[in-house]
Amino acid sequence: NAGVTQTPKFQVLKTGQSMTLQCAQDMNHNSMYWYRQDPGMGLRLIYYSASEGTTDKGEVPNGYNVSRLNKREFSLRLESAAPSQTSVYFCASSEIHIQYFGAGTRLSVL
Amino acid sequence: QKEVEQNSGPLSVPEGAIASLNCTYSDRGSQSFFWYRQYSGKSPELIMFIYSNGDKEDGRFTAQLNKASQYVSLLIRDSQPSDSATYLCAVNGRGNEKLTFGTGTRLTIIP
Repeated sequence: NAGVTQTPKFQVLKTGQSMTLQCAQDMNHNSMYWYRQDPGMGLRLIYYSASEGTTDKGEVPNGYNVSRLNKREFSLRLESAAPSQTSVYFCASSEIHIQYFGAGTRLSVL
Repeated sequence: QKEVEQNSGPLSVPEGAIASLNCTYSDRGSQSFFWYRQYSGKSPELIMFIYSNGDKEDGRFTAQLNKASQYVSLLIRDSQPSDSATYLCAVNGRGNEKLTFGTGTRLTIIP
């Protein structure tokens, strides 16, 4: 029973490099989310997808793009990584307002 | 004013005592309220949710909601060292499933 699976778990990038964070859920949920978590800042919503084929900006979307590939998968792309994007990234999916989180990706941008 | 506010702590409580965690929110139209527990280095996990005014109990946990005062709280009875974690309050608005999170309260249970 995997729930929400994120890859990779850890990543180190140099400034200007690009990468894609992957997220997949096996709970047949319509809604999926990407958050970042920084010390003292709580969880902040980057992008969310209410259903397959739709995406919307959250609180902190600048510097990120997303793709809802199908109902299961929701990816987050950093086109040109910046040190300010050093953070822990969580993917979540939800059913009837209850969100379930993946294990997170710890990203460092040097 | 932040949309969801929590005291960041740390809050220290002796083992066996009641831990009381508080959260206020600014949007009067908020519909649903959640408490997540997050251990250090781990992802948030849901422990309680509440939709209606009053109390909701689940084992050692009680969530309390007062919409008039825009206040939600979490009580943990018979606190255990395993309850030491950061507790995140989250609020859902109208018409969608997005949540707004507070910054969390770090709770330490002292043996």
